[in-house]
Amino acid sequence: QKEVEQNSGPLSVPEGAIASLNCTYSDRGSQSFFWYRQYSGKSPELIMFIYSNGDKEDGRFTAQLNKASQYVSLLIRDSQPSDSATYLCAVKLGLGYDQFYFGTGTSLTVIP
Amino acid sequence: DAGITQSPRHKVTETGTPVTLRCHQTENHRYMYWYRQDPGHGLRLIHYSYGVKDTDKGEVSDGYSVSRSKTEDFLLTLESATSSQTSVYFCAISPSGGAVGTLFFGEGSRLTVL
Repeated sequence: QKEVEQNSGPLSVPEGAIASLNCTYSDRGSQSFFWYRQYSGKSPELIMFIYSNGDKEDGRFTAQLNKASQYVSLLIRDSQPSDSATYLCAVKLGLGYDQFYFGTGTSLTVIP
Repeated sequence: DAGITQSPRHKVTETGTPVTLRCHQTENHRYMYWYRQDPGHGLRLIHYSYGVKDTDKGEVSDGYSVSRSKTEDFLLTLESATSSQTSVYFCAISPSGGAVGTLFFGEGSRLTVL
């Protein structure tokens, strides 16, 4: 069983702060890592993906990957109330059309 | 917008009745997927397709069947619905270009089995 673990939260941060979301995975052979955002009652939408160790930045979002520790995180800088959602971590073994394994998500609330 | 349309968006049915959910895509993607999402379980793969008439099972395929007779349509059928199949069902596609191997989801279909 390939497991992806996330703290379910809820995580609350004040507006303008940095939100840090964490995810661990069990299969050391995993190569692709994804963060999705899901608003209540809506479908998941892709925020970022990362394949290599280190950081990847896209606007206010930074994904961090540490394969040795089997850990991937998402930082949201200057958090906004519109960032309030559930964030899903997903892991894939390969770089192509392989099966995704999803965590159960972390609920984030940004307090104005 | 990944060009994915699911229908119906909401359905209430009774135990033992057949149910078919439809996923329609407009961009000719080869790979299509059906997931279900339940509290405490996250998204779980039911079936996927890698081309017309080419399908395979996911981790929670029992009680479900699929068909893909055209590139644009991927159907999920519950032959005899049970209460444990009450869930939100998401169709997804994986593009062949650009962000290869990523998933883009449809709006979801909420199914309630009484």
